[in-house]
Amino acid sequence: DAGITQSPRYKITETGRQVTLMCHQTWSHSYMFWYRQDLGHGLRLIYYSAAADITDKGEVSDGYVVSRSKTENFPLTLESATRSQTSVYFCASKDTAQETQYFGPGTRLLVL
Amino acid sequence: AQRVTQPEKLLSVFKGAPVELKCNYSYSGSPELFWYVQYSRQRLQLLLRHISRESIKGFTADLNKGETSFHLKKPFAQEEDSAMYYCALNSGNTPLVFGKGTRLSVIA
Repeated sequence: DAGITQSPRYKITETGRQVTLMCHQTWSHSYMFWYRQDLGHGLRLIYYSAAADITDKGEVSDGYVVSRSKTENFPLTLESATRSQTSVYFCASKDTAQETQYFGPGTRLLVL
Repeated sequence: AQRVTQPEKLLSVFKGAPVELKCNYSYSGSPELFWYVQYSRQRLQLLLRHISRESIKGFTADLNKGETSFHLKKPFAQEEDSAMYYCALNSGNTPLVFGKGTRLSVIA
């Protein structure tokens, strides 16, 4: 589990600001994912990536942007943060050889 | 469409009592199912997957294709089992589909 990290772990920002959440994995897994976790909604997929330079939208992608220039990094950017984006964000990765997804420790984001 | 349903948001049991966390899925193909656990303020971690047929921390889960279920069971609940439990479905080269989770509270 230590192979996937997220930064920052906690972030407070204001409405309208741009925020980037970082995700880094050391396993060279092909797939990476971003989820948000909210009470009553469980885990919802924001974006995922099957490989470098390949990304796809998930269930709740509006207001978010991702990039994957390197296999090991998958940053998530909130272009103009809104209060509804207050949440806990989890990054995950998996290898194509196995189906288990490994999760990062999460980033708690508060948008004021 | 693939879907995972966990009908209980919250399940409270007494220590030592049996536990069953329900999970039903909707998928026309051959499913691969998982249970993930999240202890307070920690990351999600894999608890078990149906293919391995393991028993982890005393938990077991059997895939019932007829009932499209993958319920998680433990004969005697412990306080340290209190956590959020997510059932997840893999349907191929797509992200796991997660249920909304069940919070298990074990009361001493």
